[in-house]
Amino acid sequence: GAVVSQHPSRVICKSGTSVKIECRSLDFQATTMFWYRQFPKQSLMLMATSNEGSKATYEQGVEKDKFLINHASLTLSTLTVTSAHPEDSSFYICSAHTGGKETQYFGPGTRLLVL
Amino acid sequence: QQQVKQSPQSLIVQKGGISIINCAYENTAFDYFPWYQQFPGKGPALLIAIRPDVSEKKEGRFTISFNKSAKQFSLHIMDSQPGDSATYFCAASMSSGGGADGLTFGKGTHLIIQP
Repeated sequence: GAVVSQHPSRVICKSGTSVKIECRSLDFQATTMFWYRQFPKQSLMLMATSNEGSKATYEQGVEKDKFLINHASLTLSTLTVTSAHPEDSSFYICSAHTGGKETQYFGPGTRLLVL
Repeated sequence: QQQVKQSPQSLIVQKGGISIINCAYENTAFDYFPWYQQFPGKGPALLIAIRPDVSEKKEGRFTISFNKSAKQFSLHIMDSQPGDSATYFCAASMSSGGGADGLTFGKGTHLIIQP
């Protein structure tokens, strides 16, 4: 149980285009999902908290207009990187947890390369 | 301000030995401390977690030791095996309203178990 999937697993796009990444909880309902970014050989940095049915909460320094988050259902959150640039190239990882429990289950990550 | 400091950055241990990774935190509001294992190109996987009301937790070969007064916690991997070679992250978060906030991660420890 507690499986989180992400799609796509990797994406290559041209600079200036937008990319959508999906995060799904497969066998549980996730009231809250989190989006992290990890640069090569570095730690995970929290970008935003996504709550079903409400606006996402962004961490300081993360541009909400660039990284659009939509948590449309209890099993799906999407992260859209708008007008992507090479510096946005990174490993994007989502996590999810059910209400009342602190355990976060992570997805397999999405490797984004912006050319 | 780095809220969770992790050491060492890299660690080499002989097969069968004990691997020890240490973390220190600054925010006394943190009340949940998980350890994650990450293989290259994969999302983090939860190994073990502890809350401040206990000083030690053991699950199989993995043990967390927690020192609340010193604001430190550590991961011990007993009988280390080559398959344990991975990057290990400590993390911390605060509970809020029955749920949990996003995780603050340490910088990671690259562990190599030599056969």
